[in-house]
Amino acid sequence: AQSVTQLDSQVPVFEEAPVELRCNYSSSVSVYLFWYVQYPNQGLQLLLKYLSGSTLVKGINGFEAEFNKSQTSFHLRKPSVHISDTAEYFCAVSRVQGGSEKLVFGKGTKLTVNP
Amino acid sequence: KAGVTQTPRYLIKTRGQQVTLSCSPISGHRSVSWYQQTPGQGLQFLFEYFSETQRNKGNFPGRFSGRQFSNSRSEMNVSTLELGDSALYLCASSLEGGGGPTGELFFGEGSRLTVL
Repeated sequence: AQSVTQLDSQVPVFEEAPVELRCNYSSSVSVYLFWYVQYPNQGLQLLLKYLSGSTLVKGINGFEAEFNKSQTSFHLRKPSVHISDTAEYFCAVSRVQGGSEKLVFGKGTKLTVNP
Repeated sequence: KAGVTQTPRYLIKTRGQQVTLSCSPISGHRSVSWYQQTPGQGLQFLFEYFSETQRNKGNFPGRFSGRQFSNSRSEMNVSTLELGDSALYLCASSLEGGGGPTGELFFGEGSRLTVL
């Protein structure tokens, strides 16, 4: 069964600093990986996804992630964060069950960007 | 294009009552998924409906149920509410389902349920 582990529950950083949010997955089959962001009092929004092809995936708002099959990781990075990036970030893997897909989410990482 | 709409946004119930939450998907989307979000358990999959049929189900007790109408709107119901049902319930729609290669999930803002 596929599962997702987000190694840090909270990550505080200063504005304009780089950030990396870590995600590891477990799966015995091909995987499709995602990062979603949730701003306060809002639903989730897709940041980026890896389905196949290039292992470096670029998303919205300057975020990117690298799929590393040997380390079963899909870490999210941004070279310079803004106050507006303060949010909770969820890593997810797509799992096929009962003939259809569903997303299995990690427990989330709260990113706080301080001035 | 209007996004996913969930109603009500906030509600308070007492133990033993039941609640019905509504979700209107993006126009043209046939799949609706429901998730429960709590601080302790994170996001947990409840069920997915596609063309009025439940296609996938998570590990929740039978008190949690749902349905989908011919216009793709969906409702979920929780009966005999318990304190632990307090959570943000998120609905997500997609064209074909799942959120993976078959289609991106678009989330609503959620219905926050508090059980006293």
